[in-house]
Amino acid sequence: GENVEQHPSTLSVQEGDSAVIKCTYSDSASNYFPWYKQELGKRPQLIIDIRSNVGEKKDQRIAVTLNKTAKHFSLHITETQPEDSAVYFCAHKEGANNLFFGTGTRLTVIP
Amino acid sequence: DSGVTQTPKHLITATGQRVTLRCSPRSGDLSVYWYQQSLDQGLQFLIQYYNGEERAKGNILERFSAQQFPDLHSELNLSSLELGDSALYFCASSVRASGETQYFGPGTRLLVL
Repeated sequence: GENVEQHPSTLSVQEGDSAVIKCTYSDSASNYFPWYKQELGKRPQLIIDIRSNVGEKKDQRIAVTLNKTAKHFSLHITETQPEDSAVYFCAHKEGANNLFFGTGTRLTVIP
Repeated sequence: DSGVTQTPKHLITATGQRVTLRCSPRSGDLSVYWYQQSLDQGLQFLIQYYNGEERAKGNILERFSAQQFPDLHSELNLSSLELGDSALYFCASSVRASGETQYFGPGTRLLVL
């Protein structure tokens, strides 16, 4: 139940295009789904999170969607900018357990 | 700046040695979590403390230990170091013990030679 699969591992998009990163989990008890952005050599930074009682959440150019039936959640970044280039990690929490992280997606926004 | 501080930023040591990493959580946060991030690897949860008590254990080796002090700062002790222990070590903090809304510190980069 701890595993979370994250795809793609690398993603390149043109500036202004959208980027989508998807994560799949296995345990229906998962109830909290954060996304972290990590720039090279820096700390993971919480950018958005969603709980299992919500299907979608938006914050400016960033949105997260959750499909509990299919057990997957996705990060959507619209109007991408070069400063969006980073590694993005999804994570999930099962019940009272701690966070389990995906393996990361390296996003490159090409100016 | 997340408000979580970690010292030192960098640490170079030899195999077999022991080191101590320090973390101060955000003001008001009672939970501290420790993670290991190896080169090109994801974040591996090691251990969590909440208000001074161990709350959860992840993939923490027996050579590693941690504690949280009354002022809520935490220390991660790594002993009998091996080359494979070279990694970034992050701590994170949160208000509650639930594991949600964790804010990460800047990390300590450990290099074992």
